[in-house]
Amino acid sequence: ILNVEQSPQSLHVQEGDSTNFTCSFPSSNFYALHWYRWETAKSPEALFVMTLNGDEKKKGRISATLNTKEGYSYLYIKGSQPEDSATYLCACDNYGQNFVFGPGTRLSVLP
Amino acid sequence: NAGVTQTPKFQVLKTGQSMTLQCAQDMNHEYMSWYRQDPGMGLRLIHYSVGAGITDQGEVPNGYNVSRSTTEDFPLRLLSAAPSQTSVYFCASSYSTGDSSYNSSLHFGNGTRLTVT
Repeated sequence: ILNVEQSPQSLHVQEGDSTNFTCSFPSSNFYALHWYRWETAKSPEALFVMTLNGDEKKKGRISATLNTKEGYSYLYIKGSQPEDSATYLCACDNYGQNFVFGPGTRLSVLP
Repeated sequence: NAGVTQTPKFQVLKTGQSMTLQCAQDMNHEYMSWYRQDPGMGLRLIHYSVGAGITDQGEVPNGYNVSRSTTEDFPLRLLSAAPSQTSVYFCASSYSTGDSSYNSSLHFGNGTRLTVT
């Protein structure tokens, strides 16, 4: 079973701040890296699927980068808003078989 | 499309009882999976399936059985419930894994909150 790590575990920022967090995963047999946004009492929702080294994806104020050679991905949020408060999960598919999730980064944006 | 439908939403069991958590999807997804969510541990993979007739174990399979007789359905069976199985369970599906991973975002059900006393 893969070891997918995320840091930090939790994060508190002020409204308007920009922030970023990290997902680390094994670089061997890599197929895809996913980012999900998970609000309390809801189901995770997909943000990005990234497959190629150097990939950069953007959706509004949220963007992500991927380095498959060194095994990490960054998620960036520009100008954080209270509605960005959620747990952000990454998931890795390293053998083309299944998706293993990291423990998540819990973001709280204070108004 | 209804997406991924999980039932029930809530369940309370006594130790030793058995039950089946239902999961169905209407998106013709090949890949289906079950995760459990516990505080501070994110989502841990229980079992998964890459197509009808094919199942495999994930990270925490003990105490659970699955089957995949059709593309649409992927039930999770608890054979003899234990308090350690108290958790929130999520079923998720995607179009594929592997070479078609670009199209592989997971679609989640709404979760089943299970309490074993």
